Amino acid sequence: GAVVSQHPSRVICKSGTSVKIECRSLDFQATTMFWYRQFPKKSLMLMATSNEGSKATYEQGVEKDKFLINHASLTLSTLTVTSAHPEDSSFYICSAPPVLLDAYLYGYTFGSGTRLTVV
Amino acid sequence: SQQGEEDPQALSIQEGENATMNCSYKTSINNLQWYRQNSGRGLVHLILIRSNEREKHSGRLRVTLDTSKKSSSLLITASRAADTASYFCATEWNDYKLSFGAGTTVTVRA
Repeated sequence: GAVVSQHPSRVICKSGTSVKIECRSLDFQATTMFWYRQFPKKSLMLMATSNEGSKATYEQGVEKDKFLINHASLTLSTLTVTSAHPEDSSFYICSAPPVLLDAYLYGYTFGSGTRLTVV
Repeated sequence: SQQGEEDPQALSIQEGENATMNCSYKTSINNLQWYRQNSGRGLVHLILIRSNEREKHSGRLRVTLDTSKKSSSLLITASRAADTASYFCATEWNDYKLSFGAGTTVTVRA
């Protein structure tokens, strides 16, 4: 089936450094990837949509320069948290939209998430 | 945000009991989806109900949809310890974007 692999699952970094999170579609091509942020015991908030071959679109209130999103290929989307600060600590999840594979329509596929802790 | 509230925020039940949670939304929808999230993990799709459907079953799950009230409910019957998780409803809006409810945390006690 449609699988999205997200790495790393956990990362601890120092304030001021940058962290890159990768999401790969393993057995299908994803021209679009959604990036969500989730605070503890809260819902998922859509941050941005990455599109292969074009600029990412960001939701209102999301800092483009802080959260750099790149869709390098049809199977790889990355989120880089630049100059990270403790308030950027959160759970980040990527998701691919529904995809038709081998005549079967798979629904939204989520990565397993990345727990970022900035110290 | 397209999404409203989910209630209850938290639910604790005994194994074997049923768990019911509700979700409300704000705008017209094509479909409504329910997801499960185990602690610190990604989301798993449980069930999708279309706007022209009123009820749908999948194993021990039953979902209802009332478009006149803009609300949906998820019922888990004969709960098991493995059902302990957070449950989210989600609606689609522009270009496949999903808007999630606040979630219900379910704890099933053995």
